[in-house]
Amino acid sequence: NAGVTQTPKFQVLKTGQSMTLQCAQDMNHNSMYWYRQDPGMGLRLIYYSASEGTTDKGEVPNGYNVSRLNKREFSLRLESAAPSQTSVYFCAAGSGGARVGSYEQYFGPGTRLTVT
Amino acid sequence: GENVEQHPSTLSVQEGDSAVIKCTYSDSASNYFPWYKQELGKRPQLIIDIRSNVGEKKDQRIAVTLNKTAKHFSLHITETQPEDSAVYFCAASIHSSGSARQLTFGSGTQLTVLP
Repeated sequence: NAGVTQTPKFQVLKTGQSMTLQCAQDMNHNSMYWYRQDPGMGLRLIYYSASEGTTDKGEVPNGYNVSRLNKREFSLRLESAAPSQTSVYFCAAGSGGARVGSYEQYFGPGTRLTVT
Repeated sequence: GENVEQHPSTLSVQEGDSAVIKCTYSDSASNYFPWYKQELGKRPQLIIDIRSNVGEKKDQRIAVTLNKTAKHFSLHITETQPEDSAVYFCAASIHSSGSARQLTFGSGTQLTVLP
């Protein structure tokens, strides 16, 4: 099992360009999450999806949109990239306790995005 | 919303000594507290977690304590080894909807174990 995978690993955009970050999980987990990680600030939740067909805003949703395509896939879209969106983006999946005793969120390898 | 503060931001210890990292949270509804280890350029990985109905949990050299009244929890690493060097993040979580749980992370502690 691959766990949680993300594409691409690295990306450089110019201000105003758009792109979609892809995330997929083969763990059969219901919930999926997108975080961004900036130096000295830990990880901050952008959007999450409790189940297929549902999405909710997290702490820092402005400038982003998401799609929960099916149970496996959760994508993050930047419609008009800004330098402030330069960050490392992590996708995660979790069972939310559906598996007894486990609230763990499993993270993907991350996408390093630079907006110039 | 939830606010999690983590201290210290950097910590250096001699190999074999103990390390303690402390976090406080603001939302009394938080009921799940994981700790993640992140090595340089890698993804965060869960090392231990605790739920609000438990005061302490141990796993070999790692332990976490929780004080719900004071709203703080701590990570204790004993007999530290060079491979323990990494950034450690605490987090607090409430149940959101369905199976989702929103994690609010602290700002991280860079632990360096000196040989």
